[in-house]
Amino acid sequence: DQQVKQNSPSLSVQEGRISILNCDYTNSMFDYFLWYKKYPAEGPTFLISISSIKDKNEDGRFTVFLNKSAKHLSLHIVPYQPGDSAVYFCAASAQNSGAGSYQLTFGKGTKLSVIP
Amino acid sequence: GAGVSQTPSNKVTEKGKYVELRCDPISGHTALYWYRQSLGQGPEFLIYFQGTGAADDSGLPNDRFFAVRPEGSVSTLKIQRTERGDSAVYLCASSSGAYTEAFFGQGTRLTVV
Repeated sequence: DQQVKQNSPSLSVQEGRISILNCDYTNSMFDYFLWYKKYPAEGPTFLISISSIKDKNEDGRFTVFLNKSAKHLSLHIVPYQPGDSAVYFCAASAQNSGAGSYQLTFGKGTKLSVIP
Repeated sequence: GAGVSQTPSNKVTEKGKYVELRCDPISGHTALYWYRQSLGQGPEFLIYFQGTGAADDSGLPNDRFFAVRPEGSVSTLKIQRTERGDSAVYLCASSSGAYTEAFFGQGTRLTVV
């Protein structure tokens, strides 16, 4: 069973517009959420994170929103630039579970590309 | 270098052989993770080290997989009697602790033929 779900395998957006990537999770123990960006043949690159005590975190063009009651988070990229074309992964972790492990559980990713 | 370094970048091996994959984490990071990514999937957790000890090895698929981090820095993932299903990109990451982002290496692409 997938604990982190990204239901859109791909998404196209026009340059200069807003991109919204969505992620749902099922494990209520998750309390730390991250977004990573991945280009082909490279490792994932950290973009932005949010802990469960917040509902919004902003860093430059990237904003992450967390809705704990809906177990949903989203990443907003404004404005979309051509270099943003990549696969975006949502990840979650139960940092305070007492298990002593900070392992991340990833979604399958959403491929973001520009509409020509 | 300042980032996580993994060697080799690519490894082709014959079925049944033994392989070792190396990870050099960011200096000072106590937490080190190994993940495996298959085509079309997100990275899947294998094992987590805090210092020298394996704090969580619940993601290792079977006893053919083993990892060590003897001095709390460099880690080696070891796979015995490789199978074609082991073919994937093996990713290493490190972090400085709780509620901090994990930084990933570029991965080792393992192909078992």
